[in-house]
Amino acid sequence: DTAVSQTPKYLVTQMGNDKSIKCEQNLGHDTMYWYKQDSKKFLKIMFSYNNKELIINETVPNRFSPKSPDKAHLNLHINSLELGDSAVYFCASSSRPDNEQFFGPGTRLTVL
Amino acid sequence: RKEVEQDPGPFNVPEGATVAFNCTYSNSASQSFFWYRQDCRKEPKLLMSVYSSGNEDGRFTAQLNRASQYISLLIRDSKLSDSATYLCVVNYNNYGQNFVFGPGTRLSVLP
Repeated sequence: DTAVSQTPKYLVTQMGNDKSIKCEQNLGHDTMYWYKQDSKKFLKIMFSYNNKELIINETVPNRFSPKSPDKAHLNLHINSLELGDSAVYFCASSSRPDNEQFFGPGTRLTVL
Repeated sequence: RKEVEQDPGPFNVPEGATVAFNCTYSNSASQSFFWYRQDCRKEPKLLMSVYSSGNEDGRFTAQLNRASQYISLLIRDSKLSDSATYLCVVNYNNYGQNFVFGPGTRLSVLP
């Protein structure tokens, strides 16, 4: 059983399009996250969502919007995609915000 | 000064060698610390948490020095399968917003 899963694994799209990435965890965790890992391999947090409370990283453009239909899911919607959005996006979850995080396999987004 | 700093490497070591990585952090309010491992084109995976008294897990030993604000990871008897990027993670416990990853140290264990 996959603890944290993401779909799709690869996403290739044109500039200006809108796309979504889905994430699901079956660990019963209360906290979920979205990270971006760019070409330089820096892993940076974008959002965390704890018990229905969304914490937004202010450096993230408002073209990015997370949506959590329930505790086990945290999706990421991206509007008006730009070249600089090309990266690997990882979803993660933890039992609480200060505990270790478990990552999904990542979604490799390429914007052409 | 960056929040979490690591020597990017690469560290190229022969099998069986002992190798150590250091990681420094800038926020003295940091509460919890971890080492993660990331293989090429894979997700980060927890290697071990780092406790104040230091902890060991098989060939891996982690140490925390709060006074100097650094953590370390020691790998003994390196295996080829240890080749990966090792990420230092510092959390100052603010609803997950401050779970900060270092840039990673790349290790290559050579036959």
